[in-house]
Amino acid sequence: SYELTQPPSVSVSPGQTASITCSGDKLGDKYVCWYQQKPGQSPVLVIYHDSKRPSGIPERFSGSNSGNTATLTISGTQAMDEADYYCQAWDSARVFGGGTKVTVL
Amino acid sequence: EVQLLESGGGLVQPGGSLRLSCAASGFTFSTYAMTWVRQAPGKGLEWVSNLIISSNNTDYADSVKGRFTISRDNSKNTLYLQMNSLRAEDTAVYYCATSGDGLKNWGKGTLVTVSS
Repeated sequence: SYELTQPPSVSVSPGQTASITCSGDKLGDKYVCWYQQKPGQSPVLVIYHDSKRPSGIPERFSGSNSGNTATLTISGTQAMDEADYYCQAWDSARVFGGGTKVTVL
Repeated sequence: EVQLLESGGGLVQPGGSLRLSCAASGFTFSTYAMTWVRQAPGKGLEWVSNLIISSNNTDYADSVKGRFTISRDNSKNTLYLQMNSLRAEDTAVYYCATSGDGLKNWGKGTLVTVSS
């Protein structure tokens, strides 16, 4: 079965850029979504189709996908961005990565 | 405003059954594909099942195939997940979500605990 691999954690200072990677075989050939989940809350879609932002998602969230790696980038990270982030792609089924905890120090 | 409200969770013994419901409002439910996703305590997200428009177009994760059945009643704007032969590893919060360009709208989830 298809697997997506994310780093367990990423730390970033306020105002700096956080990059979260998601790796999978030929991932660049698939569309990738990213979800943000804060403690005790439901996930929120922050990126779809590799790099598109749903309405209401701040411009500091951006995405890219090429080769075997997709990346979610948070520019000018704010304290409110501290959360778990999950990548997701379609293979023969919808697949989630294991999640990355972003800590804003 | 799109709203999804899951219900039907609870404590069930191994081998038992539960039916989850997801009541939808604020959008034309019959035109949306729908998805169930679960999250075990302290763990990540796991896709469970998709239902396109008709109940004839369904997909399941290998972990639930043959035990879970997804369905919808468009007249009641409600999505269902019938869960049979439940196992301890099915313990999780179950979310329903609209499925299109990503999973855009999510409910708050309902907790299913499988334990004796």
